[in-house]
Amino acid sequence: GENVEQHPSTLSVQEGDSAVIKCTYSDSASNYFPWYKQELGKRPQLIIDIRSNVGEKKDQRIAVTLNKTAKHFSLHITETQPEDSAVYFCAASKRTGGFKTIFGAGTRLFVKA
Amino acid sequence: EAQVTQNPRYLITVTGKKLTVTCSQNMNHEYMSWYRQDPGLGLRQIYYSMNVEVTDKGDVPEGYKVSRKEKRNFPLILESPSPNQTSLYFCASSLGEPHEQYFGPGTRLTVT
Repeated sequence: GENVEQHPSTLSVQEGDSAVIKCTYSDSASNYFPWYKQELGKRPQLIIDIRSNVGEKKDQRIAVTLNKTAKHFSLHITETQPEDSAVYFCAASKRTGGFKTIFGAGTRLFVKA
Repeated sequence: EAQVTQNPRYLITVTGKKLTVTCSQNMNHEYMSWYRQDPGLGLRQIYYSMNVEVTDKGDVPEGYKVSRKEKRNFPLILESPSPNQTSLYFCASSLGEPHEQYFGPGTRLTVT
């Protein structure tokens, strides 16, 4: 069935370093790829998204890249800070009479001060 | 304030006792969805709704029902809960097209 694989499951970086999280999706009909951040005990919140007609998008320290041919997309966080510590989820969505969304299993990011 | 609300936030119940988790949004969003979150599995979609009276199954619909009689409300019904439905549940809403989803605060359900 359709799925989204996310790697790594855990990532530990030093403050100021970069962090990269990668996702692969299986359904070529997917056309919207959001990234959500979930802090401990909180709800997921969107941090950045990209649509299938765009290859890269950047918002300050956060960027997302999309390779439709390979069905890969990645989240890049530069100059990491302790407050970036959280669980990050990628997702792939498609509109086919509905709005089906498949999430990756999540990456727990630790930023050490 | 634009928001998605869920009630109750915490619920402990017994196997077989019907329950309803309510979800309401005040953003006039057409799209609403229910997810369950389990450790190591991420968020899995249970049901979604594109508009009033239009609902469809997500990846894990077994054991759940939903209804969308009003645009703002999308309750999740467990007719006969079982222990494997113990989980953290999130409701979310969005504009019609694949777009940012706004999540509710979550409902932690324990079925004994």
